[in-house]
Amino acid sequence: DAKTTQPTSMDCAEGRAANLPCNHSTISGNEYVYWYRQIHSQGPQYIIHGLKNNETNEMASLIITEDRKSSTLILPHATLRDTAVYYCIVRAISGSARQLTFGSGTQLTVLP
Amino acid sequence: DSGVTQTPKHLITATGQRVTLRCSPRSGDLSVYWYQQSLDQGLQFLIQYYNGEERAKGNILERFSAQQFPDLHSELNLSSLELGDSALYFCASSVVGTREETQYFGPGTRLLVL
Repeated sequence: DAKTTQPTSMDCAEGRAANLPCNHSTISGNEYVYWYRQIHSQGPQYIIHGLKNNETNEMASLIITEDRKSSTLILPHATLRDTAVYYCIVRAISGSARQLTFGSGTQLTVLP
Repeated sequence: DSGVTQTPKHLITATGQRVTLRCSPRSGDLSVYWYQQSLDQGLQFLIQYYNGEERAKGNILERFSAQQFPDLHSELNLSSLELGDSALYFCASSVVGTREETQYFGPGTRLLVL
């Protein structure tokens, strides 16, 4: 699976949009981009995933660049409860290796 | 709530002992994954089971083993425990057969080896 690069930490003001970048320059055509978050030692929580097109759900939006080498997770109106470590993960669509490979993630702190 | 349950929530034991962690997947999910999260290693994949059969292995020690039962719940057995085994242990489950196979994680078991 392709390696991802994320900033170590970011701050965001409450009520503002949080934009979390992820670089995955070695991504291949058969790999999805997944985002998970982990709030203070709780189980990782699935947020969103995408292949080529931008995606939106009730939690967030995922913007993937046209060359697919980077993506941005957008939390439109961050709240204090969004403070967490956010993981960007790339995983192949098919094949026997279905596990997720977690990096260090981005510690997002939402400030009041 | 992801629908994945894990018991116990906390476990304190001594070095050399053996413990069993239990995971019940979401209804309908055939695949179970185990992950370990320690302070110095981050979240690491241990092992995957699909419908009772081992499917993939990660950085799982020989002292650790797992199985998945006919009712699809899974157990992770940790033996000859060492101080370094203290960690959070998460299981996740997924539907198999779709391209995405999104994994949903349980709340974890916190193991402390003294």
